[in-house]
Amino acid sequence: GAVVSQHPSRVICKSGTSVKIECRSLDFQATTMFWYRQFPKQSLMLMATSNEGSKATYEQGVEKDKFLINHASLTLSTLTVTSAHPEDSSFYICSATAGFGYNSPLHFGNGTRLTVT
Amino acid sequence: AQSVTQPDIHITVSEGASLELRCNYSYGATPYLFWYVQSPGQGLQLLLKYFSGDTLVQGIKGFEAEFKRSQSSFNLRKPSVHWSDAAEYFCAVGIKAAGNKLTFGGGTRVLVKP
Repeated sequence: GAVVSQHPSRVICKSGTSVKIECRSLDFQATTMFWYRQFPKQSLMLMATSNEGSKATYEQGVEKDKFLINHASLTLSTLTVTSAHPEDSSFYICSATAGFGYNSPLHFGNGTRLTVT
Repeated sequence: AQSVTQPDIHITVSEGASLELRCNYSYGATPYLFWYVQSPGQGLQLLLKYFSGDTLVQGIKGFEAEFKRSQSSFNLRKPSVHWSDAAEYFCAVGIKAAGNKLTFGGGTRVLVKP
């Protein structure tokens, strides 16, 4: 089956530093990737949608300058949390799909636990 | 605005007992519906989905769900729960016009007693 690899699985960084999270589709070409944020014991909130070769589309309320998304190839999207603060601590999950339509399967990564100290 | 509600935050069930997780949605358009399962510290795994046709959908791991348009519901069921079913379950809803963008419910945490 289609596999999405997310790296790192856990990261701890100091306040004010930046951290990059990678999302890779290992055995398919991902035309679209999604980034979600999940607070403890809460649901997934969509942060942004990224299409290969174009700028990401951010959801309302998500700071695009703080959460930089790059989808430079059909197998890799990155989320960079810039100037991280403790309130950015969260579980970040990516998903990827090979198609554009509503019935194109979504494949999820295993998530990245970010802790900002 | 569209919304997805999972009324039960926690459910505790004995191993071998039946399980039903509720999901209600509010959408202006015809939705398509999903149930996902998330183990601790993991991503999401698709259990089943409904696009059209038969309103009773079979999924993996012995799960099924029934779409009831009149009740705007898509409840998930399993006849006999196994200890490995302990996890967080999310209902998600999308519409064709939004492509793969999904709205997730708040989740239901299932605990399984031996």
